[in-house]
Amino acid sequence: DADVTQTPRNRITKTGKRIMLECSQTKGHDRMYWYRQDPGLGLRLIYYSFDVKDINKGEISDGYSVSRQAQAKFSLSLESAIPNQTALYFCATSSRWESTDTQYFGPGTRLTVL
Amino acid sequence: AQSVAQPEDQVNVAEGNPLTVKCTYSVSGNPYLFWYVQYPNRGLQFLLKYITGDNLVKGSYGFEAEFNKSQTSFHLKKPSALVSDSALYFCAFEGSYQKVTFGIGTKLQVIP
Repeated sequence: DADVTQTPRNRITKTGKRIMLECSQTKGHDRMYWYRQDPGLGLRLIYYSFDVKDINKGEISDGYSVSRQAQAKFSLSLESAIPNQTALYFCATSSRWESTDTQYFGPGTRLTVL
Repeated sequence: AQSVAQPEDQVNVAEGNPLTVKCTYSVSGNPYLFWYVQYPNRGLQFLLKYITGDNLVKGSYGFEAEFNKSQTSFHLKKPSALVSDSALYFCAFEGSYQKVTFGIGTKLQVIP
């Protein structure tokens, strides 16, 4: 089984709808991240959490919110989806006990907002 | 601002030939540098990292990268490309507060 899982894998929704993307990990890592990937822009950090009670905005947090329900779960919400939030979304994890912040990625969620 | 740059959108190489995917960095101090690979319809996978020490870093799948401080580069290399190496490659660095920033990616196409 994969160490980092994301649900759903694909989602098509309409403008204005609320959407939640979920991420779970079995790696026992304390840190979790949400990124979005757009062609030509690489990966951009939306939110990150170094601990259950420590949540921080990334470079493009507007229009998004997150919840760290447990050490193993980190969900991303779009309160009112808009078309320019159409992208590939990745969750990642890492451990503060490693010497560097090597990150482990989930398979991604492809979100289309019509 | 600290950053990494991947100057090539796409690299084409014939199967069996050596490959190089370029990355340059603008990071203060002693940088921690990474390479990740993304195969189609998959998440990113860690390939290798440079922390300190030997400038030649060996990673997964036969890849290696050379840290060059004078040229501020961290190019990814492989002696003999495989068709299965075709993927998107990301250079990244770890900055303040252990935050990792990724480059925009380079598409590697290995031609049979």
